[in-house]
Amino acid sequence: RKEVEQDPGPFNVPEGATVAFNCTYSNSASQSFFWYRQDCRKEPKLLMSVYSSGNEDGRFTAQLNRASQYISLLIRDSKLSDSATYLCVVNDNNDMRFGAGTRLTVKP
Amino acid sequence: DAGITQSPRHKVTETGTPVTLRCHQTENHRYMYWYRQDPGHGLRLIHYSYGVKDTDKGEVSDGYSVSRSKTEDFLLTLESATSSQTSVYFCAISETPPDTQYFGPGTRLTVL
Repeated sequence: RKEVEQDPGPFNVPEGATVAFNCTYSNSASQSFFWYRQDCRKEPKLLMSVYSSGNEDGRFTAQLNRASQYISLLIRDSKLSDSATYLCVVNDNNDMRFGAGTRLTVKP
Repeated sequence: DAGITQSPRHKVTETGTPVTLRCHQTENHRYMYWYRQDPGHGLRLIHYSYGVKDTDKGEVSDGYSVSRSKTEDFLLTLESATSSQTSVYFCAISETPPDTQYFGPGTRLTVL
């Protein structure tokens, strides 16, 4: 079983839609969690950290469920510019474990 | 954007040849990392450094070596490249784990 698993997608949604991604992790002792965004043929960039109480940054909301060992990312009012691959990252005793990513395409 | 550069950005080489990739940072971050990214896999850690001359292995270190003689430079060497090492290589930096990692633009390596 992979340590960090994501649905690869692709998710194809119209502009303005709400879309959610989940990511599961295997190590219950994992300490911190992140979502990164990666555009095609570019480097990953931090989108947001995920806090235990959940957190929001504009149209993006991240949630952590420790009991079920998953994190989620919700994107509201999708924009064309949100098209990218979203990487789930789990800090596992100071080793960053990356999911393979979920690809999102937002269409006009 | 964090000041991280990688060189070369693209390289095509033949099986059995040595290859060195360079990562250079201007942020004075203590930690530096080398990852590879392949389709269907998340980024996988090859080696990392926690200071000058201090390095350790990551998840997929076989066939790779690293060196860090200065804070700003972290070199990744493939002693004898194989086709399985065809990949995109990313360097990353952080002040301390588990802080945010900032990534370089990547090096696309093809081993024929």
